[in-house]
Amino acid sequence: DGGITQSPKYLFRKEGQNVTLSCEQNLNHDAMYWYRQDPGQGLRLIYYSQIVNDFQKGDIAEGYSVSREKKESFPLTVTSAQKNPTAFYLCASSMSRAGAWETQYFGPGTRLLVL
Amino acid sequence: AQSVAQPEDQVNVAEGNPLTVKCTYSVSGNPYLFWYVQYPNRGLQFLLKYITGDNLVKGSYGFEAEFNKSQTSFHLKKPSALVSDSALYFCAVRRYNNNDMRFGAGTRLTVKP
Repeated sequence: DGGITQSPKYLFRKEGQNVTLSCEQNLNHDAMYWYRQDPGQGLRLIYYSQIVNDFQKGDIAEGYSVSREKKESFPLTVTSAQKNPTAFYLCASSMSRAGAWETQYFGPGTRLLVL
Repeated sequence: AQSVAQPEDQVNVAEGNPLTVKCTYSVSGNPYLFWYVQYPNRGLQFLLKYITGDNLVKGSYGFEAEFNKSQTSFHLKKPSALVSDSALYFCAVRRYNNNDMRFGAGTRLTVKP
């Protein structure tokens, strides 16, 4: 988990509310990722960013939004359009935007629950 | 598109016995293969990866994995299991020149004293 921080550890969302999950890294990595983890389904990619001010949709981007204004930060907003947001959210980063062999390093995760 | 299968949801072994966690993959071209471990309510920790070269890859905490191209497998192994190895293990694959990493559904390893 070292070098990547996620906050908060637990987050509660009310109906119709947008919530933002924080992800910060001090590894000087170019690429950052957001994954959603549900029991028995492994990890699914929500969004990724290979460089500042650029990001791409993953497999399950609907109901989520991101920004990448700084190299070290990649916040994820879960919007009211996401009807089933309860999950464990993991942020990751890797050194290079071009290298498929690069290891992704993960933060400790944020558990989102719906009230 | 690439994909990964972990055929066993659960693996149980006795402490001190060898362990194997299975992974098979499907990808066009050369694969990059990864193993991660997850402890409860924590992020994923990197164990090892195969890029090219020697088919036997050694990683953290005494784990190793063998790449078998003909069987499209990348099984994780450890000669002597510890109770502290009990966790959720994920295999993942990436294709050359593709930023899309695909994870398996995970295998829960339980090591009993």
